[in-house]
Amino acid sequence: EVQLVESGGGLVQPGGSLRLSCAASGFSLSSYWMNWVRQAPGKGLVWVSRIKDDGTGTIYTDSVKGRFTISRDNASNTLYLQMNSLRADDTAVYYCARGGLGSWSEFDVWGQGTMVTVSS
Amino acid sequence: QSVLTQPPSASGTPGQRVTISCSGSSSNIGSSAVNWYQQLPGTAPKLLIHTNNQRPSGVPDRFSGSKSGTSASLAITGLLSEDEADYYCVAWDDSLNGPVFGGGTKLTVL
Repeated sequence: EVQLVESGGGLVQPGGSLRLSCAASGFSLSSYWMNWVRQAPGKGLVWVSRIKDDGTGTIYTDSVKGRFTISRDNASNTLYLQMNSLRADDTAVYYCARGGLGSWSEFDVWGQGTMVTVSS
Repeated sequence: QSVLTQPPSASGTPGQRVTISCSGSSSNIGSSAVNWYQQLPGTAPKLLIHTNNQRPSGVPDRFSGSKSGTSASLAITGLLSEDEADYYCVAWDDSLNGPVFGGGTKLTVL
């Protein structure tokens, strides 16, 4: 079964750091571009970041540039999101999502999400 | 506010047909494929329509998508109570260099 399982969320103080992981199973991570998408409580979906299948290219939404870093370890089938200088408006459920083959906004497999709360 | 514009809510009775619109611009919908996601309450989003009008395996043919110019639409026929969910459109934006989502439409089955 194709599956993505996120972990690493939790409560962190403003200015703190957190590293999210996304474990892939049922497929080879190395064949797909991967993404992080977040959803603030009661709000809509917002794309956060994407990484090329071999890890050589990354892009970010403006609000996280310079603070978040997406990376991957294809050998262990794991995607990461390192989040630094966290702010209250980073509070959200973070989903990892596999890039589909049809277009760059197609996410064909999603994890269940991990909650990140930034609060003092 | 979101780059893509969706109505915040829509409703219908069982068996009815409902449509959800998604409006954008030449830098996103006008130049890129549109995808639609369904998010049932308390769950992760699920790919519903890809590449404007293609249904992934397992998605009922009651769901269909279309695109014209800088707008797209999702249509649901034979509405069921289980269709009650949030629906999101998304497209790549050449100006922002990333995917942009609509604000989402909450569908209520009366």
